[in-house]
Formats: sequence, C-alpha cells, structure tokens
Amino acid sequence: DAGVIQSPRHEVTEMGQEVTLRCKPISGHNSLFWYRQTMMRGLELLIYFNNNVPIDDSGMPEDRFSAKMPNASFSTLKIQPSEPRDSAVYFCASSFRSNGYNEQFFGPGTRLTVL
Amino acid sequence: KQEVTQIPAALSVPEGENLVLNCSFTDSAIYNLQWFRQDPGKGLTSLLLIQSSQREQTSGRLNASLDKSSGRSTLYIAASQPGDSATYLCAVIVTDKLIFGTGTRLQVFP
Repeated sequence: DAGVIQSPRHEVTEMGQEVTLRCKPISGHNSLFWYRQTMMRGLELLIYFNNNVPIDDSGMPEDRFSAKMPNASFSTLKIQPSEPRDSAVYFCASSFRSNGYNEQFFGPGTRLTVL
Repeated sequence: KQEVTQIPAALSVPEGENLVLNCSFTDSAIYNLQWFRQDPGKGLTSLLLIQSSQREQTSGRLNASLDKSSGRSTLYIAASQPGDSATYLCAVIVTDKLIFGTGTRLQVFP
C-alpha cells in the first residue's frame, strides 16, 4: 500500500492567491483528517470526515479555509485568499473507523509558504 | 480545554543512555494516548498506542506508561541510538480526535 498521498509536497505562493492541497487516503479507510503544524501552535486538527461527511470543522481557523471530500479516495483543503500566517506544514491522515479509536496514518505533509 | 505539554522541549544525549520523555495533560477524560515519532521533513510514525484501560505498552526498546488519574504519560527509550534522533510527540485521544503535545526534540550523538 502506498500510504496516504499528499500533493504538492511543497507550495510557495503569494499573499492573496488561492491554494489547494490534495490528499488521497489509504484505500479502504473511511475517516480522513486534516492537520496543520506550526512552530508556534504545534499540530492542530483542522477538520475531519467520516464516510466523506464533515464531522467536526471546529479547528478551521477562518472562512478562508474550506475542505471537501467528494469521494472516498480524495479530499482537498483550500485556502482563499492565502495570507503569510497560513505558512505551515499541512498533514492529512486517514483511518478505518469502526468501534472505538482506530490508528491514524499520516501522509508526508505539504509545506506551504505564503509570501 | 484539553492541554497537552511535553518536557523537556529538547534533549541531547550520548549514545547508550536510557531516556525518559514526559507528557502531561490537563483533562483525564481521555480515551487513549499515543506516542509518535517525527523525522525532519517527514510525517508522523506511530510508536505506541495505550488504551485507556491499560497502564503501559512496550515495543522493542520503547516502553510507554499511562496514569490517567495524574494526567501523565512517559516514554522510556532504552539504550538510545543515533537513529533515535527525531521529535517525539504524544497525543491524547478524545473520541476520534488527536490532541497533540508540544513535542520533545531528541538528539542522540555517537
């Protein structure tokens, strides 16, 4: 299995531009999570989906951030318009949720730099 | 609000030492606790998962303990090696959500 796949691995953009981050979860997993990691705040959960449905988006910082999961094998995190303080590493993780907690597997992350 | 803290923030030791990394959390109403390793520029690798009903888990040279009543977990690394150099993160698990600690950056030198 290829694991969780994220693209791009690195993104450099200018303030005000739209940024789209992509994630392909592990095949068969039914939960998907988006995290953000910064030096100041560490790793924070932004949003997660179960069976393609957003369950908790309380970690999404502002309306500039949006996430979609149109099918079980693809999710996007979009920032529009981007700002320098959005610079961070964004991780996607997936798991197979049944009863209780099930281990999350993380992708390699997308390093975003907003100039 | 659950807060998770790890001490020390950074640690540099010679090869062969036994290490203890600490994780504390403010709300004992957690389901489980998990320890991860993060290498520079990489994602997270799960090391140990401790269920709320357990008090410890072991994998090779790693041993993690959990004391929910005191809000603490420790990760013990025996006979450290340079390949153990990485950032170690603990995360408390509340339903499906992981709440991460601040991390301990470990360097083991030959």
